[in-house]
Amino acid sequence: DQQVKQNSPSLSVQEGRISILNCDYTNSMFDYFLWYKKYPAEGPTFLISISSIKDKNEDGRFTVFLNKSAKHLSLHIVPSQPGDSAVYFCAAINTGNQFYFGTGTSLTVIP
Amino acid sequence: DSGVTQTPKHLITATGQRVTLRCSPRSGDLSVYWYQQSLDQGLQFLIQYYNGEERAKGNILERFSAQQFPDLHSELNLSSLELGDSALYFCASSVAPSRETQYFGPGTRLLVL
Repeated sequence: DQQVKQNSPSLSVQEGRISILNCDYTNSMFDYFLWYKKYPAEGPTFLISISSIKDKNEDGRFTVFLNKSAKHLSLHIVPSQPGDSAVYFCAAINTGNQFYFGTGTSLTVIP
Repeated sequence: DSGVTQTPKHLITATGQRVTLRCSPRSGDLSVYWYQQSLDQGLQFLIQYYNGEERAKGNILERFSAQQFPDLHSELNLSSLELGDSALYFCASSVAPSRETQYFGPGTRLLVL
């Protein structure tokens, strides 16, 4: 039972444009959400997080939006750069401190 | 380099066997997490330890066990291995439990033949 879903396995974007990665969740007990980036042969790297009491968090080129009523999370990358090409995972933590990850979206930024 | 080390990098073994994966957290981190990444399931949270004590449990099979030692390194023991246990196993660490940023190691790739 996949409680965190990333329905787009891949995404291609032109350099300089916006990348939007989406994530949906089913469990209303999730109260913290994170995005990780993963390059091949490396472990995931933390990008940005958001608490369920907020609806937006920004860090440089990265912004995460949370829509609790829709149980939807998105990561915006503006402007996209070739170095952003990687697999992006969204993750959620429930009140019992259990972590759930999505299956990832592979982003390709085309120069 | 995240500062989290995992050994071995690769492991090939047979069904029914037992293996131990080792993780050394970043200096100063007290919390260790274990994850399994299978081809078709993404990252699955297995278990979390904080300062030697089990803190949270995910979808960890009964054939699997883990512990965190006084020097804060952790081991994940996988026994009675099955073909489906073939996966990439990641360890992550953080300063404190819960919502702290986790730093992931490079993973151990396990192949069960």
